[in-house]
Amino acid sequence: GEDVEQSLFLSVREGDSSVINCTYTDSSSTYLYWYKQEPGAGLQLLTYIFSNMDMKQDQRLTVLLNKKDKHLSLRIADTQTGDSAIYFCAGSGRTGANNLFFGTGTRLTVIP
Amino acid sequence: DTEVTQTPKHLVMGMTNKKSLKCEQHMGHRAMYWYKQKAKKPPELMFVYSYEKLSINESVPSRFSPECPNSSLLNLHLHALQPEDSALYLCASSPRALETQYFGPGTRLLVL
Repeated sequence: GEDVEQSLFLSVREGDSSVINCTYTDSSSTYLYWYKQEPGAGLQLLTYIFSNMDMKQDQRLTVLLNKKDKHLSLRIADTQTGDSAIYFCAGSGRTGANNLFFGTGTRLTVIP
Repeated sequence: DTEVTQTPKHLVMGMTNKKSLKCEQHMGHRAMYWYKQKAKKPPELMFVYSYEKLSINESVPSRFSPECPNSSLLNLHLHALQPEDSALYLCASSPRALETQYFGPGTRLLVL
């Protein structure tokens, strides 16, 4: 199966940029995703990138994909207190299975 | 309508009770999923339905019984649960299998 690793915690000051990193072992995922989960809530799809792209920008969010290093990152510009949450990266299954392989999640804390 | 809804939001049940979780989407999606999420962990896939047929059962105990009565509805029937089954149960849907999944807000289950 797929191993997807993330650092557990990240703290940033309001207004700074946040960068959340993700490394994975299987390079055959067609799509790679970023989900946000606020306390007690479900997962909100933030953005995703097709595996043949290396960058995608969507307002304050920038996704970078380095397939050679199997590294995915999410940059949040001008981080706000409402961005405090757990962020999961996920990839589609290696054999084309239906499931997503989730990372361990990074808890982002934004300090006012 | 671009959301996945789940009821109830919270559920407390005893080990001898029978209850059901409900998930609904009206986006025309033909794949639906149940995940279980323990605190501070990523979601774990339980079941996948594709075109109303069960396509993946991730070795889930038989005390969890999924049902997909039509393309918009997904149920999870619960019977004789254990305290360790307490978790957040998330439903998701995607247009078809292997495509981007959209999650509901979850049902927080406590088994006493």
